Amino acid sequence: KQEVTQIPAALSVPEGENLVLNCSFTDSAIYNLQWFRQDPGKGLTSLLLIQSSQREQTSGRLNASLDKSSGRSTLYIAASQPGDSATYLCAVPNQAGTALIFGKGTTLSVSS
Amino acid sequence: EAQVTQNPRYLITVTGKKLTVTCSQNMNHEYMSWYRQDPGLGLRQIYYSMNVEVTDKGDVPEGYKVSRKEKRNFPLILESPSPNQTSLYFCASRKGASPWDEQYFGPGTRLTVT
Repeated sequence: KQEVTQIPAALSVPEGENLVLNCSFTDSAIYNLQWFRQDPGKGLTSLLLIQSSQREQTSGRLNASLDKSSGRSTLYIAASQPGDSATYLCAVPNQAGTALIFGKGTTLSVSS
Repeated sequence: EAQVTQNPRYLITVTGKKLTVTCSQNMNHEYMSWYRQDPGLGLRQIYYSMNVEVTDKGDVPEGYKVSRKEKRNFPLILESPSPNQTSLYFCASRKGASPWDEQYFGPGTRLTVT
């Protein structure tokens, strides 16, 4: 059964730092991987969707990479800002394609 | 604006009082789904629907019902809520049955059952 893990659970950095969030999955036969952002008490905002055939996907200061063979994805945030403070979740579809399997998230705090 | 909407956003109720959380999407998506999010347990799927009149159980369906009479709407029904259903609920949609498509989530409904 697919499992998704995100380490660390929490991360604090000063403003301006480049940082990497990690996501690992146990079954490399994935369709795609989606990164989300969740602000406290708010919904999930889709940041990037990276298909299994892709190695990277970029949106502004965000860059997601995917290494299926090692079961890992990273979300790179360049020049972090206090507004980036949020919980970041990664998710992959289950084998049947009927649900997303989520990691527990990494809570990022960027201090000014 | 393309979006998934949920109502209400916040709800406090008492044990046993039937309630419905509505979900609507304006993207003509075929697939819709409900998740609950709990501390330490993360997001878990309750029910999903591949298309109108087609619904199926997710990982934690006990105590919930859904219906899909129209493409745009996918209400979540709690016939007799209990305190263990206190949670943050999310509705999601996707263009079609294909898992290759991106999923979009609503703003969430925070439910407290006393």
